[in-house]
Parts: sequence; C-alpha cells; structure tokens
Amino acid sequence: QQQVRQSSQSLTVWEGETAILNCSYENSAFDYFPWYQQFPGEGPALLIAIRSVSDKKEDGRFTIFFNKREKNLSLHIKDSQPGDSATYFCAASLYGSSGNKLIFGIGTLLSVKP
Amino acid sequence: DMKVTQMPRYLIKRMGENVLLECGQDMSHETMYWYRQDPGLGLQLIYISYDVDSNSEGDIPKGYRVSRKKREHFSLILDSAKTNQTSVYFCASSRDWGGAEQFFGPGTRLTVL
Repeated sequence: QQQVRQSSQSLTVWEGETAILNCSYENSAFDYFPWYQQFPGEGPALLIAIRSVSDKKEDGRFTIFFNKREKNLSLHIKDSQPGDSATYFCAASLYGSSGNKLIFGIGTLLSVKP
Repeated sequence: DMKVTQMPRYLIKRMGENVLLECGQDMSHETMYWYRQDPGLGLQLIYISYDVDSNSEGDIPKGYRVSRKKREHFSLILDSAKTNQTSVYFCASSRDWGGAEQFFGPGTRLTVL
C-alpha cells in the first residue's frame, strides 16, 4: 500500500499555464511534506516544503496548498516555463523526529510545451 | 561547497559479479541513504545510516549490504549481482532530524547483464 500517492505519473501544460501536481498520504501522523524536483541525469533536489501547521507555502512561482483534513496537498507552478520540465516527487515524514526517513511518491513527470 | 559525490557514474556488470558503489559527502552529515530509482516505482530506500557503523534496513534491503566506516563515506555492495538489480542508484545525506533537507548525489546507472 502506497503511503504517499501522486495521482498522475505525467502532466503536460503549455508555457505560461499553471501546472497543478497532486499528492495524498495515508498516515495522519506525517507532518512534513517536501517536494523534490529532478531533472534528467541528475539527483532530486529540494524545491519547496510545508509543515502540517500551515495550509499554504509560497516560494516565487511555486506554491504548496495543504489540506490536513483531507490528507492531500498540491504543488502549483505558476507561469510554467519549459525549464520547469522535470519529475516532481512528493514526500512525507515526521518533522523533528530522530532520524530522517522520507516516504516518496512515485513522481509526476511534468512537460511544459513552448 | 555542499556536495554528494558518487562513483562510478555508469557501471556494467555480469550476473553473479560483485558490485561496489561509493558515495561521499562534504557536509559532515550524520545520516546517509541509498535509494534505487526505477520507472513507475519512484525512489525506494535500500539502507539508511545514522552514523559510522550504525546502519538500518530500508524498505528493500534484500540483496544489498552497506558499509560506513567514516562519516563522510557510505558504500553499497551487491554480492553476486542479479539482473533485477539493474537500476539507477542514488546516495543522499542529511542532518539527523526529521525535516532536514536530503542532498542527493548525481546517481550511478548500473546495468547487470
């Protein structure tokens, strides 16, 4: 059973549109949700993260919307650019706990067409 | 310069051969990880190391073992590699608390023939 689920394995948007990537999780104890971005041939890198005490986190064109009651979150990429084409992983963990085990979703491959 | 390095970047082995993948980090991070990435499966945790000689199994440890004798260095060993271990392997490191950013290396593409 997948603890972190990403509903789409792939998503295509046009340049300038808002890309919306969805994620849900099973364990209500999870309280920290990072999104990692991975370009082809590279390792994933942290893009943006949110803690469950917040319902929104914004960083430039990237925004996480978080719904604790529904156990889901989404990553919005405003004004998408071809350079945003990458795989995006949603992950979850227990903030502040000893150790740092992240549970990753399977990823969403985003293609932004010019 | 915060960096995780992996060697080699590409490796081709025959079934039954032994494989050694090496990882290094220059951030004095306590925790290090080995993942494998396969299409449709995302990142799967093989082993996690909390410090020197303090290693724990991840979600898919079967067929793998690890070694961490120095804080900055973490090795993944495949004794008698199998074809289903063909994958891209990523090493990562982080501080030792939930919520700390994980820094990933560039990956090693392993092919087992």
